[in-house]
Amino acid sequence: DGGITQSPKYLFRKEGQNVTLSCEQNLNHDAMYWYRQDPGQGLRLIYYSQIVNDFQKGDIAEGYSVSREKKESFPLTVTSAQKNPTAFYLCASSIGGPPMNTGELFFGEGSRLTVL
Amino acid sequence: DAKTTQPNSMESNEEEPVHLPCNHSTISGTDYIHWYRQLPSQGPEYVIHGLTSNVNNRMASLAIAEDRKSSTLILHRATLRDAAVYYCILRDPWGYQKVTFGTGTKLQVIP
Repeated sequence: DGGITQSPKYLFRKEGQNVTLSCEQNLNHDAMYWYRQDPGQGLRLIYYSQIVNDFQKGDIAEGYSVSREKKESFPLTVTSAQKNPTAFYLCASSIGGPPMNTGELFFGEGSRLTVL
Repeated sequence: DAKTTQPNSMESNEEEPVHLPCNHSTISGTDYIHWYRQLPSQGPEYVIHGLTSNVNNRMASLAIAEDRKSSTLILHRATLRDAAVYYCILRDPWGYQKVTFGTGTKLQVIP
């Protein structure tokens, strides 16, 4: 089945460690996104990518890094510079490029990161 | 990118219609209006989208004001499974793909 797979679903990290969250899609979508969600809050955009080897900072990119070496993959690294990394992380994708930008976003099931 | 404003929470009785409002006063002429909903501890799922005309699908209806500065998601008969956070967002088909969400409306369905 086509869709977006995020892994791991749950992750625990010690302070000062970098962690990488995986996001893979087999929908042949050009655009991919990473969001962060804190309890009771909405989604905040971390990074987004419209095409391979290109990505842009979202509203809260500090302390995070991404890569887009393959169309189907958009991993997110939470670095030790991120002061409050405990959150629910969501990856999404959509068909990119006009006139297809009206396409729906498809989300993964999310990764819950807890810093101990 | 244009922003949307939604009430923080709403309540509805089961099997009654629900009207979820969204204001987007700075919408541009080419922005599409999208609605998503999110169940607890899950990723959001697409509900419906439209540009100018009202839209219907198996999940809901979308009513768009004539000036496009507001829209309403209509659930015709609320069920307990409709209890979720509903997000209204705008998508510009000609701009770079920065897609931002607000805080959404938490819908509580009362049995």
